[in-house]
Amino acid sequence: QVQLQQSGAELTKPGSSVKISCKASGYTFTSYDISWIKQRPGQALEWIGAINPGSGGTGYNEKFKGKATLTVDKSSSTAFMQLSSLTPEDTAVYYCARGYYGPNWFAYWGQGTLVTVSS
Amino acid sequence: DIMLTQSPATLSVTPGESISLSCRASQSISTNLHWYQQKPNESPRVLIKYASQTISGIPSRFSGSGSGTDFTLNINRVEPEDFSVYYCQQSNSWPRTFGAGTKLELK
Repeated sequence: QVQLQQSGAELTKPGSSVKISCKASGYTFTSYDISWIKQRPGQALEWIGAINPGSGGTGYNEKFKGKATLTVDKSSSTAFMQLSSLTPEDTAVYYCARGYYGPNWFAYWGQGTLVTVSS
Repeated sequence: DIMLTQSPATLSVTPGESISLSCRASQSISTNLHWYQQKPNESPRVLIKYASQTISGIPSRFSGSGSGTDFTLNINRVEPEDFSVYYCQQSNSWPRTFGAGTKLELK
């Protein structure tokens, strides 16, 4: 079965960077885009961007350009998101998600990674 | 970006009631609208795809309708496990966007 296993919670300081991971299993990793989605405490969901693991091609929400960088490691079927120049507004749960075909509706979700930015 | 406006923000109901949740798009998105349920401390779960198409494993009491700019998620006879937050999401254009959610709470 399709599974997306995310890395653990991170406590980071303002101005630093963090890289979180999403390990995929149960399907051909290179055949489906992976999206990343942000959820601040008690807030709605925001789509950050998506990456095609086969080509490495990416698409970003303009709001997150310069903030998020999406990469993959095909050898380990793992997607990564690096967040830079962290501020308290980056404190959120970050989900990776896979669409059923393309990044249209999200059939499969990771468990989420809490990133806390605090001095 | 396409804005999705969900209403009401909170709905208080008694188990057994049948309800409708609304999602309105800022421009026409055909039927490229999907519904999710999110329980506390859990990842979202898709309930309905493309406005009205069912998802395997989702109870039949959940149904969706609409096209263009106005969409509805219906729950026929709310069960205790349905109390959670519901989000709509559009896939008509980039970036993908979500509504702010409707919280379904116990009256």
